[in-house]
Amino acid sequence: GENVEQHPSTLSVQEGDSAVIKCTYSDSASNYFPWYKQELGKGPQLIIDIRSNVGEKKDQRIAVTLNKTAKHFSLHITETQPEDSAVYFCAAYNFNKFYFGSGTKLNVKP
Amino acid sequence: EAQVTQNPRYLITVTGKKLTVTCSQNMNHEYMSWYRQDPGLGLRQIYYSMNVEVTDKGDVPEGYKVSRKEKRNFPLILESPSPNQTSLYFCASGTSSGTDTQYFGPGTRLTVL
Repeated sequence: GENVEQHPSTLSVQEGDSAVIKCTYSDSASNYFPWYKQELGKGPQLIIDIRSNVGEKKDQRIAVTLNKTAKHFSLHITETQPEDSAVYFCAAYNFNKFYFGSGTKLNVKP
Repeated sequence: EAQVTQNPRYLITVTGKKLTVTCSQNMNHEYMSWYRQDPGLGLRQIYYSMNVEVTDKGDVPEGYKVSRKEKRNFPLILESPSPNQTSLYFCASGTSSGTDTQYFGPGTRLTVL
């Protein structure tokens, strides 16, 4: 099956700085890569996603890049704000199943 | 309001006592799924359903059952719970194959003594 690894497990940045979270996957058949944000006591919420035929996607302060050859994808958050503090999960999808990374706890210091 | 609901939100039970966690969505989604979340392991998919009467195993199906008799409901059944099933459980739904926004429920915190 698929194996998704996510780094770092914790990330602390100053407000206004950028944050980058990286994931690797093992199965070249994976073709959809969503990113979720989970706030304390809540379910994960989709923040951005990318499909295997696209190399980069942006949505305001959030961007995701995908390198199919190297089998890795990254989440970039610019101009971080305290409300960005949460746990972030990457995931890979193939053959109707989702495989998640272990999560990154992002702390944005005011 | 579009939402996924789960019940109960918290449950403490004993080993071997059968339980069901309900999941319901009001978005007419075909794809529904159950996950468990454990510290350091992220979310792991237990079972998923592509549509009514169509279910399949995820990554960690052992000890769980599901059914999809109606499009809106996708209950998770633990016929003989064990302590290693103590976890935080999430139900999610999405359109078609799931490769679109998945909406997650609020979670069910299960403790098996």
